[in-house]
Amino acid sequence: NAGVMQNPRHLVRRRGQEARLRCSPMKGHSHVYWYRQLPEEGLKFMVYLQKENIIDESGMPKERFSAEFPKEGPSILRIQQVVRGDSAAYFCASSPPRTDGSIQYFGAGTRLSVL
Amino acid sequence: SQKIEQNSEALNIQEGKTATLTCNYTNYSPAYLQWYRQDPGRGPVFLLLIRENEKEKRKERLKVTFDTTLKQSLFHITASQPADSATYLCALVSVGSQGNLIFGKGTKLSVKP
Repeated sequence: NAGVMQNPRHLVRRRGQEARLRCSPMKGHSHVYWYRQLPEEGLKFMVYLQKENIIDESGMPKERFSAEFPKEGPSILRIQQVVRGDSAAYFCASSPPRTDGSIQYFGAGTRLSVL
Repeated sequence: SQKIEQNSEALNIQEGKTATLTCNYTNYSPAYLQWYRQDPGRGPVFLLLIRENEKEKRKERLKVTFDTTLKQSLFHITASQPADSATYLCALVSVGSQGNLIFGKGTKLSVKP
């Protein structure tokens, strides 16, 4: 049973380009969360999605960032017109429906570097 | 303001000793508090969960306590081993939230042989 798969593991972009980060949840999991970890900072919640629905995006920056979890395929976190401050590790986590205590299973992360 | 703090950035102990890590929170009402382990270059891995109405939870060499009066959780690793060296994160799920985790910055534990 494969775990949460994130790709790419490393992504390098120049300022102004777009970054697309992909996350395939564990089999049977319908809830996906995205977190960002800046250097020397803790993990910060960004967005919580279920299939075709954004449930909570209170942690998402208002501009340039968007997320989706389509009926088919992985969840995508999209960052438009990247800036140096977007450089961070982005983690995706998934959980099954009716989860007790919100235990989440994390992927290995995508490390975004903006030049 | 709301804060979740892990008091030590780093903790160094000798193999065989008990490691005790602290997590304090301010202005949150946690429904659950969780502990995760994170190794360099990897994602967090769930270890233990404790509910607001529970005082203590154990799993093998791990023990978590939760004191809602002190607003504190303690995480213990007994008979520590070098393989326990990692960063340990506490995270809470707030009452009424959608389930997103609020993380502390972590404590980096080093167990010396």
